Amino acid sequence: AQSVTQLGSHVSVSEGALVLLRCNYSSSVPPYLFWYVQYPNQGLQLLLKYTSAATLVKGINGFEAEFKKSETSFHLTKPSAHMSDAAEYFCAGNNNNDMRFGAGTRLTVKP
Amino acid sequence: EAGVVQSPRYKIIEKKQPVAFWCNPISGHNTLYWYRQNLGQGPELLIRYENEEAVDDSQLPKDRFSAERLKGVDSTLKIQPAELGDSAVYLCASTDGGGQATDTQYFGPGTRLTVL
Repeated sequence: AQSVTQLGSHVSVSEGALVLLRCNYSSSVPPYLFWYVQYPNQGLQLLLKYTSAATLVKGINGFEAEFKKSETSFHLTKPSAHMSDAAEYFCAGNNNNDMRFGAGTRLTVKP
Repeated sequence: EAGVVQSPRYKIIEKKQPVAFWCNPISGHNTLYWYRQNLGQGPELLIRYENEEAVDDSQLPKDRFSAERLKGVDSTLKIQPAELGDSAVYLCASTDGGGQATDTQYFGPGTRLTVL
């Protein structure tokens, strides 16, 4: 069975700094990959997804992620953090309708 | 467009009591999912519906959990009897893509269950 691992349960950056949230998958067949964001007391919201088209995927709010098969990774980046980016971020992979989420990374943005 | 609606938002019960959660998906979304999210973890799938048919309930603990989606629209998830370990957030999600692996799932705000 596939699994998704997010390195770092907490990441803290300063406002304006680069955001890098790491995600790796383990599967012999690369899954379709997703990044979701969860704000307090809200449901998960899709940021972006990789569906075998372009390996560099752009999403909402200035986020993007690059699928690297050789590294089995799908890291999420944003050039400049904003206070409103503070939230919980989940990476997920879907293989044959078996959707697996990582444990999440809580992003804190310092003023 | 209204999002996925869940109720109640919070529920506190004593162990061995029954509890039910309700979900109304986005209008026109045929695929509905129930997830459980334990504290500090990502969501884990409990059951997936295509219209009124449960097409994947392999992760649903059937000794105490049950779900239904009688008319292929809203859905109810029930636990009877609840155990301490059932304390979690129960999330409902829906898609309009026919249950494809590439579908974007739209999530409700969840029901936070506390079992005392």
